[in-house]
Amino acid sequence: SAVISQKPSRDICQRGTSLTIQCQVDSQVTMMFWYRQQPGQSLTLIATANQGSEATYESGFVIDKFPISRPNLTFSTLTVSNMSPEDSSIYLCSGDSHSYNEQFFGPGTRLTVL
Amino acid sequence: GIQVEQSPPDLILQEGANSTLRCNFSDSVNNLQWFHQNPWGQLINLFYIPSGTKQNGRLSATTVATERYSLLYISSSQTTDSGVYFCAVHMTTDSWGKLQFGAGTQVVVTP
Repeated sequence: SAVISQKPSRDICQRGTSLTIQCQVDSQVTMMFWYRQQPGQSLTLIATANQGSEATYESGFVIDKFPISRPNLTFSTLTVSNMSPEDSSIYLCSGDSHSYNEQFFGPGTRLTVL
Repeated sequence: GIQVEQSPPDLILQEGANSTLRCNFSDSVNNLQWFHQNPWGQLINLFYIPSGTKQNGRLSATTVATERYSLLYISSSQTTDSGVYFCAVHMTTDSWGKLQFGAGTQVVVTP
């Protein structure tokens, strides 16, 4: 199983600013994924990050708002840009070693935008 | 896309009671996982169960892939079982391993 850490664990930000969330895996994983969980809701996939290529975004999410980097097989970042209160959510990253394997999740970053 | 439906949406249990949570999905899947999200937001892996039956302590799960459903059983519930239980599936038509989550079942176990 993979152990995934995220930084920061929580943050309170002002509208119009940006926040970069880091995700570190203790072993190499092929795919990493970023999810958003709005208050009281389920998890929604933002994008899939494959090393060495641009991230693939789900419908409703765009690169200008959520730029993602994946510089190697154990690390990824998600930036939430030009934040508004509607971006207040928990952001979670996950990874697996193969597309059919069990996915493990980081502890999440709890973001509040004022 | 695939539809993932969980039932019931809410469940209140007295400590020591047993319960069954259900997950229905609308298409063929390669992977099905059950998670428990504790009150602090941490998503904990319970089962990776694309088919068959597995048991882990007081929890067990069964997936019948041909009939497109999975069940999570909680026996002798404890207050620490409180939280949201999510079912998530990976479609066979997706090669990247993306998970589609159900809406979850909110479980409250009272002393």
